[in-house]
Parts: sequence; structure tokens; C-alpha cells
Amino acid sequence: AQSVTQPDIHITVSEGASLELRCNYSYGATPYLFWYVQSPGQGLQLLLKYFSGDTLVQGIKGFEAEFKRSQSSFNLRKPSVHWSDAAEYFCAVGEAGTASKLTFGTGTRLQVTL
Amino acid sequence: DAGITQSPRYKITETGRQVTLMCHQTWSHSYMFWYRQDLGHGLRLIYYSAAADITDKGEVPDGYVVSRSKTENFPLTLESATRSQTSVYFCASSRQERNSPLHFGNGTRLTVT
Repeated sequence: AQSVTQPDIHITVSEGASLELRCNYSYGATPYLFWYVQSPGQGLQLLLKYFSGDTLVQGIKGFEAEFKRSQSSFNLRKPSVHWSDAAEYFCAVGEAGTASKLTFGTGTRLQVTL
Repeated sequence: DAGITQSPRYKITETGRQVTLMCHQTWSHSYMFWYRQDLGHGLRLIYYSAAADITDKGEVPDGYVVSRSKTENFPLTLESATRSQTSVYFCASSRQERNSPLHFGNGTRLTVT
């Protein structure tokens, strides 16, 4: 069965600093990978997704992620964080190459200091 | 564009009571899902449905019942609530296509006393 590990439970960065959130997955075939963001009291919103092709994918709100098969990783990055980026971020892998039946990581809470 | 609506947003119930969480989507998406979110566990799939009258178990189905008589509705019932079912419940939907991502509702926070 597939699994997702987000090793950082909580990360604090200063506004304007760069950000990298780590995600490692376990999956036997080519994975479908996702990053979702959850603001307090809200549902999850899709930031970006990887299905195939270019391993560097661009998402909304200035986020990007890079798929590295050799490291089984799909880390999320942003060059300059804004205070509004404070939220919880979830990495997920799609079962059997689907985009909907997902296995989620435990999440990383991002705090942004001014 | 109403999207996907969950009700109620907050619910407090007592141990042993039956409670139903509602989910309604206006996109005519084929797939619908119920996840629960708990600290330290992320989101875990409870049940999902590929179409009306087709449902299947996810990772943590025990203690829950679902039905899907209409495409747009996917209620989740806790037949006899337990304290361990205190959680935030999210409904989600997606189109049938393989690459179609999930769209989430805003969640229902359930407390079982």
C-alpha cells in the first residue's frame, strides 16, 4: 500500500524568506502526487499536482514542487513567503494512478513571522 | 457555483446516539468521498462512492454507514457514536476522469461527549 511521510510537523519562517516543505512517498508504480493547503476552518485546496512529464510543476499562489523519483520525494517550494501563506500543507499520493482516491501525509503547519 | 456543501458545520452529540453528516455537491461529479481529519493522522478515507448506489470502504470504515441514492448527495451516518469518532469530517468529490482532482467541502467538526 502507498504511504506519504511529511517529516516536519511544524515550520516557522520569516515573511520574505524561502520555503521548502518535505514530502516522501512510497508507491510501487509511477505516482500521482499532490500538494493541498488548508487554511483554518476551511477545506483543502489543491495547490499543484504531478501526473507525468516535467518533474518541476508550478501551482497556484507562487508554489512549485519537484518530483524526484530517485529520492521518492515531492518537496514543495516557494521563493518568498507571504504572511497569508500561514496554513497547513498536505502532501498526498493517488492510489493506482488516480487523482481522487488519495492517501495523505500527516501535514506540516506553516507559521509565518513578520 | 455552490460547489460542495457540508452540514452541519459543528455538531455535539452524546455517546450512543445516531448522527448523520450531510454532503451535497452541485457539479454532478461521479466520485464522492468521506475523510476524517485527526491530529497526527492527517486525513484518512472512511468511505467513497464511484456513482449512485455504488459505495466502497476506505481505510477506516468501522462504525460508519454511507448511502448514495442520488448523485449529488452522500450522507455519512454514525449509527452509535463513540468518543473516538470525535473528529473533523471532510466530504470531497471529483469527476470520473483519471486525472480529475478532489474538491473538498469546508468540513464538519463533530464532538462526541
